Amino acid sequence: GGIITQTPKFLIGQEGQKLTLKCQQNFNHDTMYWYRQDSGKGLRLIYYSITENDLQKGDLSEGYDASREKKSSFSLTVTSAQKNEMAVFLCASCRDWVNYAEQFFGPGTRLTVL
Amino acid sequence: QQQVRQSPQSLTVWEGETAILNCSYENSAFDYFPWYQQFPGEGPALLIAIRSVSDKKEDGRFTIFFNKREKKLSLHITDSQPGDSATYFCAAVATGGNNKLTFGQGTILSVIP
Repeated sequence: GGIITQTPKFLIGQEGQKLTLKCQQNFNHDTMYWYRQDSGKGLRLIYYSITENDLQKGDLSEGYDASREKKSSFSLTVTSAQKNEMAVFLCASCRDWVNYAEQFFGPGTRLTVL
Repeated sequence: QQQVRQSPQSLTVWEGETAILNCSYENSAFDYFPWYQQFPGEGPALLIAIRSVSDKKEDGRFTIFFNKREKKLSLHITDSQPGDSATYFCAAVATGGNNKLTFGQGTILSVIP
């Protein structure tokens, strides 16, 4: 078994601020993901990393940067927080990119922008 | 363009009833359909999944019915329990290419004791 840890659990920012969210996994998985969850809109893929040192844009990458520092960690940066923005950012990992493998999710970081 | 759609947006059932959650998709290349269950304050967790070569997958009180011709599937939760109250996401992936899931918008299920 393993676990995905996301920090911080709650993040409050100001409009225009640069904010960084962190994710750590101890599954020893190759592939990691960042999703954004908005109420009524499901999960949308922001960035993913197939292996260490790889970075790929998802469907919602504009306004975000990501960094795969090492195999176990994947960070997401909101480059300029938007006023009244509220969303949950979910990190996930899986064993394999090519063949379907279960994606395991962290508990999320809840962002509020004032 | 919403490639995976779920209905209803929210559903309330009494304890002991069967809850039926619906999902449809557009991309014919999708061939694997996991359902995720999410409790408040937690991340989604895999509940049950079906491959497109099957028309039914059962796991305890949870059953997926799959209709490839109509591109529709449904999750049936029999003998619903208050502990089943959660948000359920239908997802789809075209295996053999990449492990990129497309999620529906979710169904919020409430089970009243």
